[in-house]
Amino acid sequence: EAQVTQNPRYLITVTGKKLTVTCSQNMNHEYMSWYRQDPGLGLRQIYYSMNVEVTDKGDVPEGYKVSRKEKRNFPLILESPSPNQTSLYFCASSLRGLDEQFFGPGTRLTVL
Amino acid sequence: DQQVKQNSPSLSVQEGRISILNCDYTNSMFDYFLWYKKYPAEGPTFLISISSIKDKNEDGRFTVFLNKSAKHLSLHIVPSQPGDSAVYFCAASVKGNTGTASKLTFGTGTRLQVTL
Repeated sequence: EAQVTQNPRYLITVTGKKLTVTCSQNMNHEYMSWYRQDPGLGLRQIYYSMNVEVTDKGDVPEGYKVSRKEKRNFPLILESPSPNQTSLYFCASSLRGLDEQFFGPGTRLTVL
Repeated sequence: DQQVKQNSPSLSVQEGRISILNCDYTNSMFDYFLWYKKYPAEGPTFLISISSIKDKNEDGRFTVFLNKSAKHLSLHIVPSQPGDSAVYFCAASVKGNTGTASKLTFGTGTRLQVTL
């Protein structure tokens, strides 16, 4: 089944404790992206990757890192999480660019 | 600065009637627009898109209209069904001459409720 998977689905952590949210797609898509969804703000793009080893900042990249060593995986790294990073995070992929994106189920992160 | 705006946070429509969801944008460079639907506890799913070279795109019950001069697009759902109850996001990007967009800007979403 074609899908985008994210792990974990739920995470509660404390300020400053490094964490990684994994994202994997099985559709051989070139493009992958991370978004966060916050009430009243919609979805905002954090980072995106046009292909392996090619990543770039979205609109809200501060406090996040990404890497794209393999085509299928695009992990989101929070080196020192802070409470303002409490949010619902979505990973997405598409064959090329921003034509129809497939979204993962989301990761709800709470930083205390 | 919200470049893509959905001014109606919610909309209630009777089953069988038309649902019209609106979206305004401020960046005149945007040339590719998409609508996504989101159910609770799920990721958004792609619904329909339109390029700025068109003013209308249809897919079954869903039609998107683009008015470039007004920087406005709308999504029409006819007829509305209870299963259409969800949050709808419009999104915009700049493809330019490359034909490939990399950054996507979303609106804040409109919650549609279709009542029986």
